[in-house]
Amino acid sequence: DTGVSQDPRHKITKRGQNVTFRCDPISEHNRLYWYRQTLGQGPEFLTYFQNEAQLEKSRLLSDRFSAERPKGSFSTLEIQRTEQGDSAMYLCASSSKETQYFGPGTRLLVL
Amino acid sequence: AQSVTQLDSHVSVSEGTPVLLRCNYSSSYSPSLFWYVQHPNKGLQLLLKYTSAATLVKGINGFEAEFKKSETSFHLTKPSAHMSDAAEYFCVVSDLPGGYNKLIFGAGTRLAVHP
Repeated sequence: DTGVSQDPRHKITKRGQNVTFRCDPISEHNRLYWYRQTLGQGPEFLTYFQNEAQLEKSRLLSDRFSAERPKGSFSTLEIQRTEQGDSAMYLCASSSKETQYFGPGTRLLVL
Repeated sequence: AQSVTQLDSHVSVSEGTPVLLRCNYSSSYSPSLFWYVQHPNKGLQLLLKYTSAATLVKGINGFEAEFKKSETSFHLTKPSAHMSDAAEYFCVVSDLPGGYNKLIFGAGTRLAVHP
């Protein structure tokens, strides 16, 4: 069963550093989503792609954040100049129809 | 705008007793609704979904939910709780019918199951 995978699972970084996360969706899923989950809250939508096109970005996605999905396969989420407020779980999901399947997430801690 | 409100942040039940996790939704149109479960250190798993078919939806692990338009509710139930049901549960609405677009999550309900 090749579900959604994310790498790394955990990341500790110092404030001001850049970090990049990777998401590999389920094969042939044309839609890919990024969400952020802070402690004690439900996930919040960040952005999504249909194939390689980024169709929507949340206002939560400041200009320090950038996401790509080259060739419509895996996706990367980069955070530049990290801040302590960026500490959260970053979740990736993919879908071909109405059901979104989530990966295990990348937990980011900014010191 | 679409939104969901989970009425209880924590629910505690004894093993073998019924589970009720409450969710109200707000939507401009006929919504697509979901319940997801999140076990510690594991990814979100879909329990069940409602996409304008039968109003009583059966999911995995004995869970079910009933869509009530008149009450704008989508409560999750299970007749008999098991220790393995202890987890965080999220009620979710899609911002467009069919769940193709972004999901909007409630704040979550933490279910504790006691022996």
